[in-house]
Amino acid sequence: GEDVEQSLFLSVREGDSSVINCTYTDSSSTYLYWYKQEPGAGLQLLTYIFSNMDMKQDQRLTVLLNKKDKHLSLRIADTQTGDSAIYFCAHRGGYQKVTFGTGTKLQVIP
Amino acid sequence: SAVISQKPSRDICQRGTSLTIQCQVDSQVTMMFWYRQQPGQSLTLIATANQGSEATYESGFVIDKFPISRPNLTFSTLTVSNMSPEDSSIYLCSVVGLADNNEQFFGPGTRLTVL
Repeated sequence: GEDVEQSLFLSVREGDSSVINCTYTDSSSTYLYWYKQEPGAGLQLLTYIFSNMDMKQDQRLTVLLNKKDKHLSLRIADTQTGDSAIYFCAHRGGYQKVTFGTGTKLQVIP
Repeated sequence: SAVISQKPSRDICQRGTSLTIQCQVDSQVTMMFWYRQQPGQSLTLIATANQGSEATYESGFVIDKFPISRPNLTFSTLTVSNMSPEDSSIYLCSVVGLADNNEQFFGPGTRLTVL
């Protein structure tokens, strides 16, 4: 199957860390992505991780991958109000097709 | 990263009409895709636009409803035919770059409202 599940909503206080979780079922995934979508805007690629890695860090973003459990997470350190958006995880499977998760709406409280 | 533009950015159309959406990329890309994002929903892949041949459609999408062209490596069109209100969505073009085929980028989207 190609289901990708995320929790729908996350609320954090400014300055705290946010952790957004994602689970997927397709074991043939090669790359896993995190995208950010602000209201009325397009999709911004934040970061991605290759399936043979277990961690990737990029400034305030840390991606953790547990391939055995098919679990992906995105940690945002020192969360700011500008981080408020919907975050989609996605994975690339066969024929380079990318399947998206349901999206997590992150609300940052000042 | 590839810069992707889409035209129109938004449109309001009448039921039964058709709309063609254009996607232009500033560099040659290997793969081009069309996605749909219905209000409050995630993205769903409509089809892979193949250069010089018929597009590859996902389950639930057919060529008669969503004809796609891709005449070269930087341009593609998606037509939404015989529209109904259920077709109201954001339609997004997406590409995988030649320079780094690990990254997949998205255009700004075309917001379509069908009355």
